[in-house]
Amino acid sequence: AQSVSQHNHHVILSEAASLELGCNYSYGGTVNLFWYVQYPGQHLQLLLKYFSGDPLVKGIKGFEAEFIKSKFSFNLRKPSVQWSDTAEYFCAVTKFNKFYFGSGTKLNVKP
Amino acid sequence: AAGVIQSPRHLIKEKRETATLKCYPIPRHDTVYWYQQGPGQDPQFLISFYEKMQSDKGSIPDRFSAQQFSDYHSELNMSSLELGDSALYFCASSLEGTGRNTEAFFGQGTRLTVV
Repeated sequence: AQSVSQHNHHVILSEAASLELGCNYSYGGTVNLFWYVQYPGQHLQLLLKYFSGDPLVKGIKGFEAEFIKSKFSFNLRKPSVQWSDTAEYFCAVTKFNKFYFGSGTKLNVKP
Repeated sequence: AAGVIQSPRHLIKEKRETATLKCYPIPRHDTVYWYQQGPGQDPQFLISFYEKMQSDKGSIPDRFSAQQFSDYHSELNMSSLELGDSALYFCASSLEGTGRNTEAFFGQGTRLTVV
């Protein structure tokens, strides 16, 4: 079945550590890719998006993601996390007017 | 800037009751999506509308129905509520009609608790 896979379900890091969250998708053809963040008790907010062009996308709050078409991946990175980055992160793919979400990765940053 | 507005923010209902959730998309957005997010789960697509017509249907129970009105707001009607319907219901809107790549903007959600 076509899907969006996030392999890390729960990540615990200390402040200033580097972050990489994996996302793989199985939809063929042209897709749009997104990372959303959900802070505790809040709604989904867009971190960054890829439609076309430069496969290295920079988003808000120092996040970036790299689209690797051959690997069907769109991994999220941040060189140095902060306590305020504690949240759940969702990778999403849009195809034919519908968003498909990964199962989410809970990030817990220890001060 | 205007965002996606959902009402109510919180709703408590008893089993077998009905509930109506409302979503007001960003002005000029022509597409509305509904998602259900259970506790500790990822958002599950329920249904979407484009230009007031249903455009796609996901895992929406038969007890639920939805529509998009002439002013583009959408309502999700839920009947015969069950305990398992307790979840956060998100609405999102986007502008699809231009044919350009676009993103969806999410509302803050309605937290439905069925007791």
